[in-house]
Amino acid sequence: QVQLQESGPGLVKPSQTLSLTCTVSGGSISSGSYYWSWIRQPAGKGLEWIGRIYTSGSTNYNPSLKSRVTISVDTSKNQFSLKLSSVTAADTAVYYCARATAMVMSDWGQGTLVTVSS
Amino acid sequence: SYVLTQPPSVSVAPGKTARITCGGNNIGSKSVHWYQQKPGQAPVLVIYYDSDRPSGIPERFSGSNSGNTATLTISRVEAGDEADYYCQVWDSSSDHPCVFGGGTKLTVL
Repeated sequence: QVQLQESGPGLVKPSQTLSLTCTVSGGSISSGSYYWSWIRQPAGKGLEWIGRIYTSGSTNYNPSLKSRVTISVDTSKNQFSLKLSSVTAADTAVYYCARATAMVMSDWGQGTLVTVSS
Repeated sequence: SYVLTQPPSVSVAPGKTARITCGGNNIGSKSVHWYQQKPGQAPVLVIYYDSDRPSGIPERFSGSNSGNTATLTISRVEAGDEADYYCQVWDSSSDHPCVFGGGTKLTVL
């Protein structure tokens, strides 16, 4: 049973870069045809897909965030990461990492709250 | 980008059947996936590819998809089913391929 765990700073200053890591356990991040995804959820609001990376390294991003987002993978550490630049208060949310097949997010991390504030 | 519309809330008495809809233009031509999210927890996949259930999800959960509406049906509703439910599609032809509905709060009366 694969498990995912998000980690990173819980507080980021406006205009800085938000950086999160998702550590995968119970399976190799480079095996199987999986997409490794990031999703976020502002307090009291719905889910917003941020983007995903395939095991080959190819990426897809939400066009509304594309200019600020980078998702990368480190197979040696069995981790993948999210960087979101030039953050504002609107980026305050719970951030989830997830394992997905082509269309379905089947396994999720527990989520981590990131607050953007000075 | 593709838009999915869900009712903000649905209420049902215990033991009855809850139906949560997800509307979209010709959604019947796409595969719809459903997630359950309880307060303070991560979403959990309950239905994928319109009507398949992951292992561990009770048979009380079922799904259908036709025309402009997909439906998540929960039979014999229990108090533990109270949660937010989100539909999701993947639209490969769009520059915004992964879309979630706005979510429906299921209240068990």
